[in-house]
Amino acid sequence: DQQVKQNSPSLSVQEGRISILNCDYTNSMFDYFLWYKKYPAEGPTFLISISSIKDKNEDGRFTVFLNKSAKHLSLHIVPSQPGDSAVYFCAASAWIGNQFYFGTGTSLTVIP
Amino acid sequence: EAQVTQNPRYLITVTGKKLTVTCSQNMNHEYMSWYRQDPGLGLRQIYYSMNVEVTDKGDVPEGYKVSRKEKRNFPLILESPSPNQTSLYFCASSPVGRKTNEQFFGPGTRLTVL
Repeated sequence: DQQVKQNSPSLSVQEGRISILNCDYTNSMFDYFLWYKKYPAEGPTFLISISSIKDKNEDGRFTVFLNKSAKHLSLHIVPSQPGDSAVYFCAASAWIGNQFYFGTGTSLTVIP
Repeated sequence: EAQVTQNPRYLITVTGKKLTVTCSQNMNHEYMSWYRQDPGLGLRQIYYSMNVEVTDKGDVPEGYKVSRKEKRNFPLILESPSPNQTSLYFCASSPVGRKTNEQFFGPGTRLTVL
């Protein structure tokens, strides 16, 4: 059973606009959430994370929002650039144990 | 250069022929892990290791073995591969502690089992 879900397999956005990628989770024990970016033929690379004690974390053009009551997180990219075109995975882990659970990924295309 | 390396990058084999995919990291990380990526299923954790001689099952460990005899290496062993193990495999590592969650991934190994 998928504990981390990304319901949008793909997303297209115009360059300069905002990209919003969504992620839902079911396990209330998760306390740390991450976003990874993956280009074709490469391994995922870490992008940004957020602890459950926060509801927002910002790093340059990337901001992650966490809504614990809704078990939902989102990644905002502003402004979007063509180089942001990649597959984005959200992931979660619990304070107990060292397992990681990834979503199915959202393929973002930024149109120049 | 800090990196996680995997070998081979591509492998085609037949059912039942034992194989090993190697993973090595040069960052002195305690934590290492294996994942498989399949269409529509995302990344799923196979096994992980918190340190030398300490390994634990992830979400999908069936059909796989691992060992951690040295800190830098974490090989993935398929004793009797089957076609449902055809997948893209990633090794990852990270330090233990506050940054445990931010893993560094290798480039991937594409395995086809006929």
